[in-house]
Amino acid sequence: EAQVTQNPRYLITVTGKKLTVTCSQNMNHEYMSWYRQDPGLGLRQIYYSMNVEVTDKGDVPEGYKVSRKEKRNFPLILESPSPNQTSLYFCASGGGNQPQHFGDGTRLSIL
Amino acid sequence: GQQLNQSPQSMFIQEGEDVSMNCTSSSIFNTWLWYKQDPGEGPVLLIALYKAGELTSNGRLTAQFGITRKDSFLNISASIPSDVGIYFCAGSYNNNDMRFGAGTRLTVKP
Repeated sequence: EAQVTQNPRYLITVTGKKLTVTCSQNMNHEYMSWYRQDPGLGLRQIYYSMNVEVTDKGDVPEGYKVSRKEKRNFPLILESPSPNQTSLYFCASGGGNQPQHFGDGTRLSIL
Repeated sequence: GQQLNQSPQSMFIQEGEDVSMNCTSSSIFNTWLWYKQDPGEGPVLLIALYKAGELTSNGRLTAQFGITRKDSFLNISASIPSDVGIYFCAGSYNNNDMRFGAGTRLTVKP
């Protein structure tokens, strides 16, 4: 079954404590991307990756890092989380450089 | 940057009615995508459009890529209760930088 798996699904943490949200896909897609979803704003792209070791900034990259060392994994790293990064995060993968499959989301609360 | 406006914000309709929603962009896109999101889940891709003027159907759903390349609409015919959810449009110029609309929340009354 085609899947994009995110972990954790929920996390409550404190300002400044580094965290990583993992994302894994089993469809051998070259394209992967991260989004945050906030009320009234839809989804905003944080970073995307066209292939292994190829990443680029999306619309709202400040405060985030990513890495793409393997095709299946695309972790999102918050080195020093702040309350304005409290949000619902989605990872996606796809062929043709498009987000065709989304994970079920990770709800982050930064206190 | 590119601005993408989706309307309406919300719709309340009776089961069996047809629905129409649209997105407009301040600049041209080469790809338009339409998604549906159910509570607690990620968006699911419904229809992808790649050419100006293209009209594509997926069951009761029909979407069109506007001739100006700055707009797209999604129609749902004969709505049913399971059509409830949030519908998002998304577009990109270079297939990398994907922009999403704010969503249309659809409620279907039985």
